Amino acid sequence: QKEVEQNSGPLSVPEGAIASLNCTYSDRGSQSFFWYRQYSGKSPELIMFIYSNGDKEDGRFTAQLNKASQYVSLLIRDSQPSDSATYLCAVHGSGNTGKLIFGQGTTLQVKP
Amino acid sequence: DAGVIQSPRHEVTEMGQEVTLRCKPISGHNSLFWYRQTMMRGLELLIYFNNNVPIDDSGMPEDRFSAKMPNASFSTLKIQPSEPRDSAVYFCASSSPFSAEAFFGQGTRLTVV
Repeated sequence: QKEVEQNSGPLSVPEGAIASLNCTYSDRGSQSFFWYRQYSGKSPELIMFIYSNGDKEDGRFTAQLNKASQYVSLLIRDSQPSDSATYLCAVHGSGNTGKLIFGQGTTLQVKP
Repeated sequence: DAGVIQSPRHEVTEMGQEVTLRCKPISGHNSLFWYRQTMMRGLELLIYFNNNVPIDDSGMPEDRFSAKMPNASFSTLKIQPSEPRDSAVYFCASSSPFSAEAFFGQGTRLTVV
């Protein structure tokens, strides 16, 4: 079992729709969870982080965390063509010196 | 702050040659990560350092790979000898003691022919 798993996609949604991206992780001791966006040929950039169970909203983005189910998701409302990218889920392991592990990434395509 | 700085941005080398990738983390950050990204395997963690000490190198693929962090502002990843299957984009990232958020450099695209 991979430490962090994501559906590689591609996930295709029409402009203005809600895009839902999902991630599961194996380390129950994980404390911090991140969503990165990576455009083709560029480096990953952080868009959201979440530490507690529940929802966290930032503009059009909502991160959801369920530690009991070891599940993290990212919702993008009112999707725009500029949101087309690969979205990487990252999990920070247990302890202060825990490593940051990434999923394979989900490619999102927003069609005008 | 200039962010995480990696050099070179692109490297093309012949099989069997030694390759050294360099990274300067963000000042004040105490964790440094080396990742390799390929289409097939995604973003793989190779090694990470905390306070200049290697904590976990279980992702280093073979003895041909080695990494050092002689001080808080510099790290190297060396491949000797290089092979075509080492072709990938290598990213360096750093994070602060107060947040697990990692900031990435621009990456080094390595091609071994």
